[in-house]
Amino acid sequence: EDQVTQSPEALRLQEGESSSLNCSYTVSGLRGLFWYRQDPGKGPEFLFTLYSAGEEKEKERLKATLTKKESFLHITAPKPEDSATYLCAVQEGTSYGKLTFGQGTILTVHP
Amino acid sequence: DSGVTQTPKHLITATGQRVTLRCSPRSGDLSVYWYQQSLDQGLQFLIQYYNGEERAKGNILERFSAQQFPDLHSELNLSSLELGDSALYFCASSVRPEETQYFGPGTRLLVL
Repeated sequence: EDQVTQSPEALRLQEGESSSLNCSYTVSGLRGLFWYRQDPGKGPEFLFTLYSAGEEKEKERLKATLTKKESFLHITAPKPEDSATYLCAVQEGTSYGKLTFGQGTILTVHP
Repeated sequence: DSGVTQTPKHLITATGQRVTLRCSPRSGDLSVYWYQQSLDQGLQFLIQYYNGEERAKGNILERFSAQQFPDLHSELNLSSLELGDSALYFCASSVRPEETQYFGPGTRLLVL
């Protein structure tokens, strides 16, 4: 069974203080790994898809990387508006699209 | 705005009742997914449809059912509701099953 573990559960940063979120996964035949951002009471907002180990993607202050066992979401010089829950999900090769999500990391950035 | 719409935004009902949640996918998307998000379980996959046909099922209760109509909108039916069914229900859509899923704003269900 696919498993996704995110750490830490919660992260508090000062504005400008860079850090990384971790997503460890176990899946038989990874089709894709997805990062989403979710604000309270809202639907998850798509950030990145990574398909193979070594792949990296960037968007503004965020950079996602992928290895064979884990993915990192690096946040450079965060701002208060980056505060949200960041969700990682995996899609297994024969799953017809089903996403298995981790529990998320709650990020709070203080001014 | 992802382009996925869900109605209603909020639903308050009593135990034992039945409700229907509606989802309209993004224009051009053929695949629709339903997920449940509760505080203790996180986001859990319920069911997937592709071009009107059921393609995958997660841990969906027998009291729950869904369908995708010819115009590609989908409905999730929840019956014999229990207190534990209170959660956020999200619909997502993608062009094809293996592609990125875009989520709607969700329906918050409260069962009293």
